[in-house]
Amino acid sequence: KQEVTQIPAALSVPEGENLVLNCSFTDSAIYNLQWFRQDPGKGLTSLLLIQSSQREQTSGRLNASLDKSSGRSTLYIAASQPGDSATYLCAVQAGTALIFGKGTTLSVSS
Amino acid sequence: GAGVSQSPSNKVTEKGKDVELRCDPISGHTALYWYRQSLGQGLEFLIYFQGNSAPDKSGLPSDRFSAERTGGSVSTLTIQRTQQEDSAVYLCASSLGIRGGGYEQYFGPGTRLTVT
Repeated sequence: KQEVTQIPAALSVPEGENLVLNCSFTDSAIYNLQWFRQDPGKGLTSLLLIQSSQREQTSGRLNASLDKSSGRSTLYIAASQPGDSATYLCAVQAGTALIFGKGTTLSVSS
Repeated sequence: GAGVSQSPSNKVTEKGKDVELRCDPISGHTALYWYRQSLGQGLEFLIYFQGNSAPDKSGLPSDRFSAERTGGSVSTLTIQRTQQEDSAVYLCASSLGIRGGGYEQYFGPGTRLTVT
């Protein structure tokens, strides 16, 4: 059974820092991996999708990497801003549905 | 264009009543998913529709839960005889569909269900 783990559960950083969020999964037979952002009381916003054949994807200050063989993905956020404060969720797709981690709650102070 | 919409945004109901939650996917998306987000449980898959194929109901927690998708577009999730443990945020997502690597899923804002 696929399990997704995100470490750390919570992270507080000052504005301007570069940071890395970690995601690991137990079964490497995945179609893709997706990173989402969730603001309090809101739905999920898709940030990046990495297909199983890809190694990384970039969007603005965000860079996500995927190492299928080791079952790991990282989300790198450059020059963090207070507006980046949210919960970041990692999810893998191996069948029809996404399997989610519990998320990392990020707080960026000004 | 318009994203995934869900209604109502909030629903408070008494234990034992039935509720219906609605999802309008992005136009042209053939795949539709329902997920549930509970405190301490994280996000869990409930049901998946793809075109005219039989739905994947493997995530439904009990036979009190059912869903349908009419005309390949709008979907309704029905919970019968609601229980307090059904309290959660119900999220709907849509995508272009499953083929090979799968497609990006886009989520609606969710319906917060509270069973008193």
